[in-house]
Amino acid sequence: QVQLQESGPGLVKPSETLSLTCTVSGGSVSSGSFYWSWIRQPPGKGLEWIGYIYYSGSTNYNPSLKSRVTISVDRSKNQFSLKLTSVTAADTAVYFCAREWVNYYYMDVWGKGTTVTVSS
Amino acid sequence: SYELTQPPSVSVSPGQTASITCSGDKLGDKYACWYQQKPGQSPVLVIYQDIRRPSGIPERFSGSKSGNTATLTISGTQAMDEADYYCQAWDSSTRVFGTGTKVTVL
Repeated sequence: QVQLQESGPGLVKPSETLSLTCTVSGGSVSSGSFYWSWIRQPPGKGLEWIGYIYYSGSTNYNPSLKSRVTISVDRSKNQFSLKLTSVTAADTAVYFCAREWVNYYYMDVWGKGTTVTVSS
Repeated sequence: SYELTQPPSVSVSPGQTASITCSGDKLGDKYACWYQQKPGQSPVLVIYQDIRRPSGIPERFSGSKSGNTATLTISGTQAMDEADYYCQAWDSSTRVFGTGTKVTVL
């Protein structure tokens, strides 16, 4: 059974870069059947899609975050990562990684999420 | 930008039927899916491709679509179904989540 686990610092200073990693177990990021996605949820608010990466390295980002977001994949470690630059308090959220079926547009496996707070 | 609109809240008595709508431009041309999220937990997929139910999801959860409105129906609602529900679709290669609906079982 595929499992995803987010990891990374829980506290980031304003203007710095948020970096998170999602480790995939029980499956492979090299599978051509899936996109590997990041989603976030600010406290008390709804879900916001950040973007995804395909095993080949091709990416797709939310236009509202595109200028600050980079998603990368490390096939040797079976991981994919998120970098968000120039963070502000508005980037404080629970960050989830998830698996999406290619051409079907739904995410069937999610990590438990990790809380990131932006504060000095 | 593309938007999916849901009612903020729905209340239902135990054993009754709850219906949650999700409306969006040209949603009739896209697949919709639905997630359940309980406090402090990650979302769980309950309906995909408008009407399909993943393995392990109770039969009381069903999906439908008419025109540009998708609907999640919970039949015989149980106390454990109290949660936030989000629809999700795509537009111009991006993924969009609905505004979310809090289902309260009174």
